[in-house]
Amino acid sequence: GENVEQHPSTLSVQEGDSAVIKCTYSDSASNYFPWYKQELGKRPQLIIDIRSNVGEKKDQRIAVTLNKTAKHFSLHITETQPEDSAVYFCAASRRAGGTSYGKLTFGQGTILTVHP
Amino acid sequence: KAGVTQTPRYLIKTRGQQVTLSCSPISGHRSVSWYQQTPGQGLQFLFEYFSETQRNKGNFPGRFSGRQFSNSRSEMNVSTLELGDSALYLCASKREGSYNEQFFGPGTRLTVL
Repeated sequence: GENVEQHPSTLSVQEGDSAVIKCTYSDSASNYFPWYKQELGKRPQLIIDIRSNVGEKKDQRIAVTLNKTAKHFSLHITETQPEDSAVYFCAASRRAGGTSYGKLTFGQGTILTVHP
Repeated sequence: KAGVTQTPRYLIKTRGQQVTLSCSPISGHRSVSWYQQTPGQGLQFLFEYFSETQRNKGNFPGRFSGRQFSNSRSEMNVSTLELGDSALYLCASKREGSYNEQFFGPGTRLTVL
């Protein structure tokens, strides 16, 4: 089955620095790669996603890149702020119509701490 | 548009009991997926329901079951509770489409004593 590996497990940065979180996936049939932010005691919140027909997507301070050949994708946060502190999860999903559609396979999460 | 809602938010049960959790998806979303979140195992897929039918199932024992109603609301049931079932149970809903864009509810925190 699908496996998603996420690194690093913890990341500590100073306010204003950039943060990068990387994920690799195993299933070549995956075509959708979302990133979720989960603050303590809160629900996972979809912050950005990328589809397999796109190599890069940006939304203000957040960007995601996808390398289908290498089967890895990354989250980049620039100009980090203390409110970016949270656990970030990457995930992968297969395309519609195939088996396992509807299932998100998650990485183990990265605890990001932004120090003021 | 209202988000995904889940009830109850917190539950305390004892071993051997059973529990039912409820999830109401975003209006217009017909797919509901359930996930278990624990510190050790992370977020793991339980099952997905669409049009009142289970469409996908994760690697959990048969004690975990679910159903979906005609209004797309979903319930999951865990029978014969074990200590290891203590977790945050999250449901997520999505529209049908080519991509699996899911939105999560706040979760139900289940504690098994």
